[in-house]
Amino acid sequence: GENVEQHPSTLSVQEGDSAVIKCTYSDSASNYFPWYKQELGKRPQLIIDIRSNVGEKKDQRIAVTLNKTAKHFSLHITETQPEDSAVYFCAAYGSNYKLTFGKGTLLTVNP
Amino acid sequence: DAGITQSPRYKITETGRQVTLMCHQTWSHSYMFWYRQDLGHGLRLIYYSAAADITDKGEVPDGYVVSRSKTENFPLTLESATRSQTSVYFCASSDGQVGYQPQHFGDGTRLSIL
Repeated sequence: GENVEQHPSTLSVQEGDSAVIKCTYSDSASNYFPWYKQELGKRPQLIIDIRSNVGEKKDQRIAVTLNKTAKHFSLHITETQPEDSAVYFCAAYGSNYKLTFGKGTLLTVNP
Repeated sequence: DAGITQSPRYKITETGRQVTLMCHQTWSHSYMFWYRQDLGHGLRLIYYSAAADITDKGEVPDGYVVSRSKTENFPLTLESATRSQTSVYFCASSDGQVGYQPQHFGDGTRLSIL
């Protein structure tokens, strides 16, 4: 089945800096890659997603890039703010018709 | 977002007891999912349903039972709870097959088994 590796597990940045979280997947048939943000004690919320026919997608300060050849995708957050502090999860939808999640990255933005 | 609701939000029970977690969605989404979230493991799929009366196993189905007699409800039952099932459980739904429509999560149920 699909295997999704996410790095780093923790990330600390200064307010205003950029943050990058990387994920790799194993199933070359995977075609949908969402990113979720989860604040402490809250539900995971979809923040951006990308499909395999697109290399990059942006939404204000958030962007996701996808490299199908290397089977990795990344989340980029620019001009980070304290409210960006949360756990971020990547996921991949593969040939098993299920979403497989990475183990999460705890992002801390220091004021 | 009141589209998908889970109950109870918190539950404490003892090993060997049966416990049912409820999930209700008002969007008429065809797909529904149950995940458990544990530190160091992320979100793992327990069971999912593509429509009423259609369910299938996910990554960690052992010890759990689901049913879906109505589109809007997808209860998860632990028939004989064990301490290893202490976790946060999330229900999710999507309007169509994942890969084409995103999943939306409920607020979760924090379950402790003593």
